[in-house]
Amino acid sequence: EDQVTQSPEALRLQEGESSSLNCSYTVSGLRGLFWYRQDPGKGPEFLFTLYSAGEEKEKERLKATLTKKESFLHITAPKPEDSATYLCAVRFTDRGSTLGRLYFGRGTQLTVWP
Amino acid sequence: DAGITQSPRHKVTETGTPVTLRCHQTENHRYMYWYRQDPGHGLRLIHYSYGVKDTDKGEVSDGYSVSRSKTEDFLLTLESATSSQTSVYFCAISVSGGANEQFFGPGTRLTVL
Repeated sequence: EDQVTQSPEALRLQEGESSSLNCSYTVSGLRGLFWYRQDPGKGPEFLFTLYSAGEEKEKERLKATLTKKESFLHITAPKPEDSATYLCAVRFTDRGSTLGRLYFGRGTQLTVWP
Repeated sequence: DAGITQSPRHKVTETGTPVTLRCHQTENHRYMYWYRQDPGHGLRLIHYSYGVKDTDKGEVSDGYSVSRSKTEDFLLTLESATSSQTSVYFCAISVSGGANEQFFGPGTRLTVL
């Protein structure tokens, strides 16, 4: 069973059409939630870290928010260059598991067309 | 870029042959990680290192070994490659093993025939 679930799997937006991506997690003891952007053929690029419910971070057209069981990545007035796969990763309180280990969702593939 | 390089970037090999992938960082970060990325799965941790000669297993470590003899280099070895190890491999680094973010390299695409 996935501990981190991202939805939708794929999203197509017209340029300027704002929307949100979702990342939900099932395990308690959150120690950090991370958003990454991944372009085809490249490694994930770090975007944001959120640590506690109510926290928000912004960068250009992207805004990440966190509640107790999920995070949203809001994309305002997207442009074609925002097209990428957006990955969410979560670190939980360790129970003898790997220190610093991140659990990744499968990602949301975003396509923004002109 | 976070000062991480991976080599080779692409490799095709045959079943049963040994393969070594290299990750090199210029950031002097203590923690280094190897992940694999496959369609239908999130990134999955293979092994990680928390210092020179200090390594531990991740969730998909079977068939893989690692070594770290210098802070800047982390090697991933497939002792006898299998077709199920066809994947894209990413190295990552972090300042600490706590809740700090990890920074990823460009990846190595490995095909095992």
